[in-house]
Amino acid sequence: TQLLEQSPQFLSIQEGENLTVYCNSSSVFSSLQWYRQEPGEGPVLLVTVVTGGEVKKLKRLTFQFGDARKDSSLHITAAQPGDTGLYLCAGPPSGTYKYIFGTGTRLKVLA
Amino acid sequence: GAVVSQHPSWVICKSGTSVKIECRSLDFQATTMFWYRQFPKQSLMLMATSNEGSKATYEQGVEKDKFLINHASLTLSTLTVTSAHPEDSSFYICSARDRLNQPQHFGDGTRLSIL
Repeated sequence: TQLLEQSPQFLSIQEGENLTVYCNSSSVFSSLQWYRQEPGEGPVLLVTVVTGGEVKKLKRLTFQFGDARKDSSLHITAAQPGDTGLYLCAGPPSGTYKYIFGTGTRLKVLA
Repeated sequence: GAVVSQHPSWVICKSGTSVKIECRSLDFQATTMFWYRQFPKQSLMLMATSNEGSKATYEQGVEKDKFLINHASLTLSTLTVTSAHPEDSSFYICSARDRLNQPQHFGDGTRLSIL
């Protein structure tokens, strides 16, 4: 079974703090996407990482793809209440047409 | 770019009725569309994958006669929940991509409530 495990599941922090969300698998992925979803809405694509070891930055968000393409991380610097939401990693395992979603990390940033 | 529109956004209906949800790619041709179900505070669960002009591929445990999927054009896929019951109440989300290995783009979801 190809799974994407995210940790932590829940995170509640104060505005201004830093945090890291992890996305891990025992399988190799062709690419990984990170999404943020707010209640009652569909997921919104934040970034795609494709190359092992790749690092991408989106303002205060830094995304990294593991060297072996089995894991990824999302680091948020100086979190703001607007960062609150459900963060999901997802992607296609190598050699398949499947698209697997991670278990999700629910982030709440308190003002 | 890459806008996916899903309609309706919210529907309430009586048990036993059928409900159709539409998913449209507005500015690109979607060779593949996906239908997901999401329970409160959980991640997305893939129900089925549909390719334009062919039958949908359903995930294990998803009843194809219960959840009818049609992908008749490159910009439209529909999900019909037949003879809906309260346990079918959920948040249904579609997504679309134009090419293999490209990211999926999601609709805003449909909240279905069966009374």
